[in-house]
Amino acid sequence: QELLVESGGGVVQPGTSLRLSCVASGFTFRTFPMHWVRQAPGKGLAWVSAVSPDGSDKYYSDSVKGRFTISRDNSKNTLYLQMNSLNADDTAVYYCARQSGAFDIWGQGTMVTVSS
Amino acid sequence: EIVLTQSPGTLSLSPGERATLSCRASQTVTSRYLAWYQQRRGQSPRLLIYGASTRATGIPDRFSGSGSGTDFTLTISRLEPEDFAVYYCQQYSTTPRTFGQGTKVEIK
Repeated sequence: QELLVESGGGVVQPGTSLRLSCVASGFTFRTFPMHWVRQAPGKGLAWVSAVSPDGSDKYYSDSVKGRFTISRDNSKNTLYLQMNSLNADDTAVYYCARQSGAFDIWGQGTMVTVSS
Repeated sequence: EIVLTQSPGTLSLSPGERATLSCRASQTVTSRYLAWYQQRRGQSPRLLIYGASTRATGIPDRFSGSGSGTDFTLTISRLEPEDFAVYYCQQYSTTPRTFGQGTKVEIK
């Protein structure tokens, strides 16, 4: 069974950092580009970041560029999102997703709440 | 950045009725790299349609997609109770991979 499981969310104060993880199983992780997508409470889906299969190419939305860093460890089948300088607008459920053309596999999401 | 605009925002229909959802792009979506996702309340998004018209694995044939260029449509031929959800279109021809704002299909 192809599965993605996110972790690392929580409640943090503005200006602090958090690292999300996404563990893949049931497929050859190292061959797929991977993405992070977020969804603020009651809002729609917003693409956040992407990384190529070997980790050499990385892409970010304007809203997180310079603050978030995507990475992957193919030996551990794990995708990461390092989030720095968090603010209230970053409050959302964060999903990791596999790219096979479209986003065909999604994790269950991990909630990040930025609040003082 | 390609902006996707979905309409209507909310569709109120009864089970058994036909649902037609629209997604319009601000510029041409190359090679029909347009997908549709379903998100039920409290769940993760699920891929329904990719390549504008190809159903993903396990998706019932009451779901169909059409369109090209800048205008795309998702049709649900006969609504089942489990189809009442929010639907998003997404283009994956360029980065950023943008989503539409969603159409909620609710029970009338």
